[in-house]
Amino acid sequence: TQLLEQSPQFLSIQEGENLTVYCNSSSVFSSLQWYRQEPGEGPVLLVTVVTGGEVKKLKRLTFQFGDARKDSSLHITAAQPGDTGLYLCAGVWSGAGSYQLTFGKGTKLSVIP
Amino acid sequence: AAGVIQSPRHLIKEKRETATLKCYPIPRHDTVYWYQQGPGQDPQFLISFYEKMQSDKGSIPDRFSAQQFSDYHSELNMSSLELGDSALYFCASSLAPGLAGEYEQYFGPGTRLTVT
Repeated sequence: TQLLEQSPQFLSIQEGENLTVYCNSSSVFSSLQWYRQEPGEGPVLLVTVVTGGEVKKLKRLTFQFGDARKDSSLHITAAQPGDTGLYLCAGVWSGAGSYQLTFGKGTKLSVIP
Repeated sequence: AAGVIQSPRHLIKEKRETATLKCYPIPRHDTVYWYQQGPGQDPQFLISFYEKMQSDKGSIPDRFSAQQFSDYHSELNMSSLELGDSALYFCASSLAPGLAGEYEQYFGPGTRLTVT
């Protein structure tokens, strides 16, 4: 079983602060996705990274894929209450020969106004 | 833009009953995945289909079966339901392997199954 360790599990910050969420593994992934999930709803795809060292930006969110394709980070600048939610990293393991996603346990973010 | 459609959104069944969940992928997506998410858990892969053939199998119980039809929609059939089957069931769809965007899986809103 390929594991994705996501940290921190919980994060509570003030509006306007910056934060970083990490997703780490000992395995190499063909791709890594970041999702945001609201309670009782399906995960919403934020970004997909496939190239080692790749950096993608989505407004105040910056996503990075590690050079070795074993880790990724999500950085949020000037967090807003609307950023509150569950953030999940998920990856396609390169050794699987399949496209099933392995998920991290998630980071529950709370941004306090 | 069209999204993944799942039905029903909520389902209540008793132990030992059967249930059928349906999934309609995004147009032009021919790959479908099923995931199960228990309370407070991350989604766990069950099974996937590409071009109506099973492409991968995860932790799907033998009591469950699934198929993909000619119009690419998929159904997850669950029999002899147990209390532990209560969970959110998500369907995701993607483009075919080998195409740009092949790794991007778009999830539906889910079916909440409650077994009493």
